[in-house]
Amino acid sequence: GAVVSQHPSRVICKSGTSVKIECRSLDFQATTMFWYRQFPKKSLMLMATSNEGSKATYEQGVEKDKFLINHASLTLSTLTVTSAHPEDSSFYICSAREGGQGVNNQPQHFGDGTRLSIL
Amino acid sequence: GNSVTQMEGPVTLSEEAFLTINCTYTATGYPSLFWYVQYPGEGLQLLLKATKADDKGSNKGFEATYRKETTSFHLEKGSVQVSDSAVYFCALGGGSNYKLTFGKGTLLTVNP
Repeated sequence: GAVVSQHPSRVICKSGTSVKIECRSLDFQATTMFWYRQFPKKSLMLMATSNEGSKATYEQGVEKDKFLINHASLTLSTLTVTSAHPEDSSFYICSAREGGQGVNNQPQHFGDGTRLSIL
Repeated sequence: GNSVTQMEGPVTLSEEAFLTINCTYTATGYPSLFWYVQYPGEGLQLLLKATKADDKGSNKGFEATYRKETTSFHLEKGSVQVSDSAVYFCALGGGSNYKLTFGKGTLLTVNP
């Protein structure tokens, strides 16, 4: 089945550091990828939708300058948490949807998540 | 807008018990419905899906039927196993860019 690889799986770093998380679709092309944030014992909160070759679409309340998204190819999207602070500590999950733009009813396939801890 | 309401749990069952996790939704248009499962420390895995009314999604003994008249997509399994212990998310897909709207998740614990 469709595989999405997310790296790294865990990051611990000091306050003020910028952290990059990669999301790769390994065996399919994904024009659209999504970035979620999950708080403990809570559901997933969509942060942004990443479209290959264009700017990401951010959800209301998500800071664009804080969470930089780049979707440079059909198999890779990156999320950079800039100048991270303890309140940015969370579980970040990416997903990728099979098919190109306009193919909207394919399921999303999720990475295994990145546990980010800012000291 | 779209929304998903699911039984919050936690749900604790003995092995081989029958499982039902309720899920209802509100949506415009004709959404697709999904159940995802999340094992501890991992991302989400697609468990099953249904793309139109009366469709039944099934996988690994789990099943759910897309009921438009009751706007529901309840998850069922006839005999749960310890390995089914996880968090289950009901989700709805629709709208521009086909974003997923998730329920809050239901923690299932199956005891031997």
